[in-house]
Amino acid sequence: EVQLLESGGGLVQLGGSLRLSCAASGFTFSGYAMSWVRQAPGKGLEWVSAISSSGGNTYYADSVKGRFTMSRDNSKNTLYLQMNSLRAEDTALYYCAKGSHGSDWFGGVDYWGQGTLVTVSS
Amino acid sequence: QSALTQPASVSGSPGQSITISCTGTSSDVGGYNYVSWYQQQPGKAPKLMIYDVTYRPSGVSNRFAGSKSGNTASLTISGLQGEDEADYYCSSYTSSSSLVFGGGTKVTVL
Repeated sequence: EVQLLESGGGLVQLGGSLRLSCAASGFTFSGYAMSWVRQAPGKGLEWVSAISSSGGNTYYADSVKGRFTMSRDNSKNTLYLQMNSLRAEDTALYYCAKGSHGSDWFGGVDYWGQGTLVTVSS
Repeated sequence: QSALTQPASVSGSPGQSITISCTGTSSDVGGYNYVSWYQQQPGKAPKLMIYDVTYRPSGVSNRFAGSKSGNTASLTISGLQGEDEADYYCSSYTSSSSLVFGGGTKVTVL
């Protein structure tokens, strides 16, 4: 059974930093691209970033480019999202999601974690 | 990258069929067969219902069907049931290697 468990969310001040983690199990983590998707309270889904299975390629939404860095440790089956220069509009539930097209990123995710809440306040 | 366009709400009676549209451009929906549909119940994580335009993951009811014509993808739910009441989101891979979602459609079973 695929399981994705996010952690690291919390309350942070404007301009602050936070590092999210996602522990994966139930599949061959090193064989799949992964992604982060967020959902602001009461709003729709917004794609944040993606990473290839090896970690060699990363992709970001324009809204987070230059501020967020996605990485992975295949030896630990763990995904990361380093978030810097946080803004009020970054407040959201952040989901970790498994890519549905194998090692490369072609959009599309199939399994989702339960999310970790990030709140950016002044 | 602009969000894909979905109707805000769609409703139907039990047993009826409904269709949710998802309109994009030739740089996303029209350019790739990488359209997915997700169901999100209140307080829950999204669940994949359709991937690669028409494919259903194992365990998803065959009452759910996906299709695409040009820049518009569609999700049809046949034999509507109370448990289908949820928010539905489409997504598509894009020419800039990003993923774009629709704004979401609230399905109400009358």
